[in-house]
Amino acid sequence: DIQMTQSPSSLSASVGDTVTITCRASQGIYNSLAWYQQKEGKAPKLLLSAASRLQSGVPPRFSGSGSGTDYTLTISSLQPEDFATYYCQQYYIARTFGQGTKVEI
Amino acid sequence: EVQLVESGGGLIQPGGSLRVSCAVSGFTVSSAFMTWVRQAPGKGLEWVSIIYHDGRTDYADAVRGRFTISRDNSKNTLSLQMSSLRVEDTAIYYCARDVLSGDHWGQGTLVTVSS
Repeated sequence: DIQMTQSPSSLSASVGDTVTITCRASQGIYNSLAWYQQKEGKAPKLLLSAASRLQSGVPPRFSGSGSGTDYTLTISSLQPEDFATYYCQQYYIARTFGQGTKVEI
Repeated sequence: EVQLVESGGGLIQPGGSLRVSCAVSGFTVSSAFMTWVRQAPGKGLEWVSIIYHDGRTDYADAVRGRFTISRDNSKNTLSLQMSSLRVEDTAIYYCARDVLSGDHWGQGTLVTVSS
C-alpha cells in the first residue's frame, strides 16, 4: 500500500499570508494526487487533481506542484474562507489520504 | 443534477453487521468509479473501498475481509456491507464519486459501534 505523509499537521496563519502544505508518498505516484479542503461538518471539496489541475470554480490562489513522491499545495494571499483542513489523496494505486493539515488563524 | 444520498447508519454493537447505502441520481453508478470514505469523530479522512466501472473492487487493509462494496445497477445505488464491526469503525461514512470520474460527495451517514 502507498502511504502518504502530510505536513505540517497544523499551522497558524493570517489573512494575506502564503501557506504551503506538503505531501510525500511512500513510492512514486506519477502526479496521481488530489487536494481537498474540508470545513467543519461538511463533506470534502476537491481543489486540485493531477497534482496541479485546478478544479472549476476554485480560486487561482490555490496551486499545486510536485512530481515523483513529493507534492505541494500553496495558498497565496490567504482569505478568511480558507481556514479549514486540507488533505492530499493519492490515486495511483487504490486510494490513500494524508493525515490532514488544519489551517488556523 | 448529481446527488448522492447515504442512508443506513446507526448504532450497532461490536461484532454486529450493518449495511449502508447510497442513492445516486444524475449519473449511472455502473459508469463511474465509486468509493466509500470514512471519518472518525475528530479525525482525518480514511479511504475505505472502491468499485471500478468494470466491477473490480479494492479495500483498505483495515476493512479487507470484513466489508464488501457493491452496486445495484437497476436501482442506481452503491452499498457497503459491514460485518464484524469494531469500536474503531465508528465514523461518518461518505459515499463519493471518485476523483477520476468527476469528484462528488454525499453528506455522509454516521455509524456508531458501541455496546
